Amino acid sequence: QLQLQESGPGLVKPSETLSLTCTVSGGSISRTTYYWGWIRQPPGKGLEWIGSIYYSGSTYYNPSLKSRVTISADTSKNQFSLKLSSVTAADTAVYFCARLMLPGSFDNWGQGTLVTVSS
Amino acid sequence: SYELTQPPSVSVSPGQTASITCSGDKLGDKYACWYHQKPGQSPVLVIYEDTKRPSGIPERFAGSNSGNTATLTISGTQAMDEADYYCQAWDSSTAYVVFGGGTKLTVL
Repeated sequence: QLQLQESGPGLVKPSETLSLTCTVSGGSISRTTYYWGWIRQPPGKGLEWIGSIYYSGSTYYNPSLKSRVTISADTSKNQFSLKLSSVTAADTAVYFCARLMLPGSFDNWGQGTLVTVSS
Repeated sequence: SYELTQPPSVSVSPGQTASITCSGDKLGDKYACWYHQKPGQSPVLVIYEDTKRPSGIPERFAGSNSGNTATLTISGTQAMDEADYYCQAWDSSTAYVVFGGGTKLTVL
């Protein structure tokens, strides 16, 4: 059974870089039929797609966040990661990692991790 | 940028049919999917590729997508169906993902 688990600091200072890792078990991130993505949800608000990565290393980012986002993958560890730079309080959210099944739906999600941006 | 619009809230009586809409320009030309999310939990996929149900999702959940509107229909709505529902589309040419703003379904 596929499982995804987010990990990383729960508190980040303004202007710093948020870094999270998603560890995947029960399946390989190198499979060609899937993308792997990050989604966030500010407290009390809706879901926002941050970006996705394909097994080939190709990345796709939400245009509204593109200048601050980097998603990478480490296939040897079966992990993919998110970096979001120059964070502000508006980046406070629960961050989810998820598997994107073609053609385009997230069929497996991690439990989510709350990241708070505060000094 | 592409946008999906959902009603903020929908109410339904137990046993009745609930319909939640999702509107976007030429949405019918893309695949739409739906998630429900209960407080404190991760979203769960309930409909993918417009009409398909993942394993374990009850038959009372059904989807359609045509023109500019995708619709999630829940027949015989149960109290356990009370949740936030999100539509989502994927642009195959750019691999971009878009979520609707979400609809709170109340069963009362």
